[in-house]
Amino acid sequence: DQQVKQNSPSLSVQEGRISILNCDYTNSMFDYFLWYKKYPAEGPTFLISISSIKDKNEDGRFTVFLNKSAKHLSLHIVPSQPGDSAVYFCAASGVQGAQKLVFGQGTRLTINP
Amino acid sequence: DVKVTQSSRYLVKRTGEKVFLECVQDMDHENMFWYRQDPGLGLRLIYFSYDVKMKEKGDIPEGYSVSREKKERFSLILESASTNQTSMYLCAEGSGSDEQFFGPGTRLTVL
Repeated sequence: DQQVKQNSPSLSVQEGRISILNCDYTNSMFDYFLWYKKYPAEGPTFLISISSIKDKNEDGRFTVFLNKSAKHLSLHIVPSQPGDSAVYFCAASGVQGAQKLVFGQGTRLTINP
Repeated sequence: DVKVTQSSRYLVKRTGEKVFLECVQDMDHENMFWYRQDPGLGLRLIYFSYDVKMKEKGDIPEGYSVSREKKERFSLILESASTNQTSMYLCAEGSGSDEQFFGPGTRLTVL
């Protein structure tokens, strides 16, 4: 049972445009959500997170939106840059600080020049 | 900067061999994790540990065991490697927050 789902395996975006990556979850006990970025042959690196008490968190070019009623979150990257080409994973945690994360399948983002 | 190191980047083993994957963290944090990453499946938790000599099963522990004799070191053991354990193995560590910091991964191929 996939509790965190990223339904788009891949996404291709023009450089300078907005990239929108989506993630859905089924477990209403999740209260903390994270996005990780992964380059080939490297481990994932933390990108941005959001607590369930918020509906938006912004860090530079990256913004995460949370819609609790729809159990949906999205990551917006604007403007997209070639260095953003990577696999993006969303992850969810049931109790903040408990650290057991459930990951989605990942979305491969390609930024075209 | 947090540093998580894994003993090998690439490993090739034969079916039935016992395989040890080592992970070391330098932040003196309590929590350590082992995941495997497979295409289309994302990262799946194998085992985790909240303290020395303590371990808990993750979502896919079958065929694996772990050892945590020292705080900084968390080892993943494949008792008898099988071809379906060919995967990318990722070690992570964390403090009290939810962020986890990952090592570079070990690409294991079982022939």
